[in-house]
Amino acid sequence: TAGITQAPTSQILAAGRSMTLRCTQDMRHNAMYWYRQDLGLGLRLIHYSNTAGTTGKGEVPDGYSVSRANTDDFPLTLASAVPSQTSVYFCASSEAASGKETQYFGPGTRLLVL
Amino acid sequence: GQNIDQPTEMTATEGAIVQINCTYQTSGFNGLFWYQQHAGEAPTFLSYNVLDGLEEKGRFSSFLSRSKGYSYLLLKELQMKDSASYLCAGMDSNYQLIWGAGTKLIIKP
Repeated sequence: TAGITQAPTSQILAAGRSMTLRCTQDMRHNAMYWYRQDLGLGLRLIHYSNTAGTTGKGEVPDGYSVSRANTDDFPLTLASAVPSQTSVYFCASSEAASGKETQYFGPGTRLLVL
Repeated sequence: GQNIDQPTEMTATEGAIVQINCTYQTSGFNGLFWYQQHAGEAPTFLSYNVLDGLEEKGRFSSFLSRSKGYSYLLLKELQMKDSASYLCAGMDSNYQLIWGAGTKLIIKP
């Protein structure tokens, strides 16, 4: 089974350009999440969606937007990239946004903003 | 504020036992997770504790003390493939995970 897929695997982006990171899951999970992971820091939540049609802001939402038009897809858009958005981005999903539900992660997108 | 503390790096010998500690402070508490992350890969789930005590799963065990805001991950019979980062994460009252920076475990032969 595919689980969660992300695209692209890696990208070099010029500052000021826009980009959409794609995330698709085939587990019919209700909740989805976008994290960034930077060296020396824990995973930080950017945006989340508890169910299709709803989204919420996480710890570091500025400069990012998301949409959740259906259960499977949760794209993350950088409207105008800045070098501080250089990071590894992970998409994750869980059956529900509740305590015992495990989050499953995609393989990540490595983004370099120059 | 919310915070997760764990050691940055630990070294252990193949075949030995290692304990990775984690202290947490979250707004509300809905459980403590441990994930494993090999270099260049995604985190994968190891364990979940919401009640005090020890949960054993093969070579890996996880302990929780809610009164102390403390957890540990115990790895027995270490294998070279256990070389990875181990991430501690507390779930807050909004069911969001607060992550530690991870403990890089180096296994030596």
